Parts: sequence; C-alpha cells; structure tokens
Amino acid sequence: DSGVTQTPKHLITATGQRVTLRCSPRSGDLSVYWYQQSLDQGLQFLIQYYNGEERAKGNILERFSAQQFPDLHSELNLSSLELGDSALYFCASSEGSLNYGYTFGSGTRLTVV
Amino acid sequence: GQQVMQIPQYQHVQEGEDFTTYCNSSTTLSNIQWYKQRPGGHPVFLIQLVKSGEVKKQKRLTFQFGEAKKNSSLHITATQTTDVGTYFCAGPPYGNKLVFGAGTILRVKS
Repeated sequence: DSGVTQTPKHLITATGQRVTLRCSPRSGDLSVYWYQQSLDQGLQFLIQYYNGEERAKGNILERFSAQQFPDLHSELNLSSLELGDSALYFCASSEGSLNYGYTFGSGTRLTVV
Repeated sequence: GQQVMQIPQYQHVQEGEDFTTYCNSSTTLSNIQWYKQRPGGHPVFLIQLVKSGEVKKQKRLTFQFGEAKKNSSLHITATQTTDVGTYFCAGPPYGNKLVFGAGTILRVKS
C-alpha cells in the first residue's frame, strides 16, 4: 500500500457518459497530480493541484476537469467519453516540492465501450 | 515542448546479463528521478539525482546523472527475473510537474 488511494480500481462505461475518479493523497502530501497512461502514450501529465489550487496543466482535454477539496482529496471528472479515453488513470501525490519522488496510487482502469 | 527521451524502448535479456537504459533531455534538468513499474502495477519511485555527475547505487542498480545535467542512465548488473518491468526517467523542466520519458520495458529470460 503506497498510501495513495484511488477508487474505483476498474470502471467500464459507454461512450458519451461521464465518470468521476477519486484520489486520496498520502497523509501530509499537499500536491496531487493526475496522469493518463495508455499503451502507446506512456505517462501523460494531465493536471496538478496544490493545497486546493490548480498549479499546472498538461495535455488535459476540455472534456476533463479536476478539483482538490479542503481535505486534499481530488477528483478527476471525465465527460462525453470516447473510446480513445480508455486508459489507466494514475493519481500521484508529493509533499509539494520536487525534492522527493511522487507516490503513485494503484490507478483506475477505465474502459469505454 | 520539453521532452525527455528514453532509449531503448524495449530490451529482452538473459537472466544474469546486464541492462542499461538511457535518458536524454534537450534542456538542463534541476534533478532527475527514476521509477519502476512492474507489469500490472503502478510506478514506484526509485531514486532522485540532483548534482552534476552524481552516481548513486542501490544494490545491483547504478544511477548516473550527466555532467551537463541533460542525461542520465540506469544500469542493472546481473539481472534477475524480479527486475522485469518498465523503467521510467522523469525530469522537472517546468515548474513542479514531472515529465516522464516513454520508458524502457525490460524482460528477463530465465
């Protein structure tokens, strides 16, 4: 157990639907990062939150959004889902600086059918 | 945008052989991190290198950071079946977000 909790572990949904992925960071970590991993794309950075505020954005589609709540857990919302959105979505947390590595959760495997 | 290039993409070795993966950046990195992802698992932080020319060892794993802080390598001596997985390097060229290389998939034949 890495200390980063992601739910659900698996999600199967139809095209056009909307899903929410949840992440609880490791205790004490203020930064949360979302990454998408598909077979041919490696780990693609989506978005970062630090203590409730958006800090950095990567290649995140407009159909995707995220937020970090006062208790520091984060949610990634994916809407108008397409087949190409099928991937592993990882959440990672860190204490806030880059002096330490990221701690990744076990991921949510999203399958869009 | 900033990219961290990693080679080779894939390597299949006989158990006991050595393995090396290389990471290159077009710009100077303040630090570089290495992660390992086992098949079906999630990336796990291995180490961070910060200083120019730094070399760190973890048992059979040797990590190096180039003098110009634009390249790095991970060398595994005498691979074992437990070494299988994908090895990623990652650098923070912009702000606080890590940019990951594409990874090197290591397969070990026993």
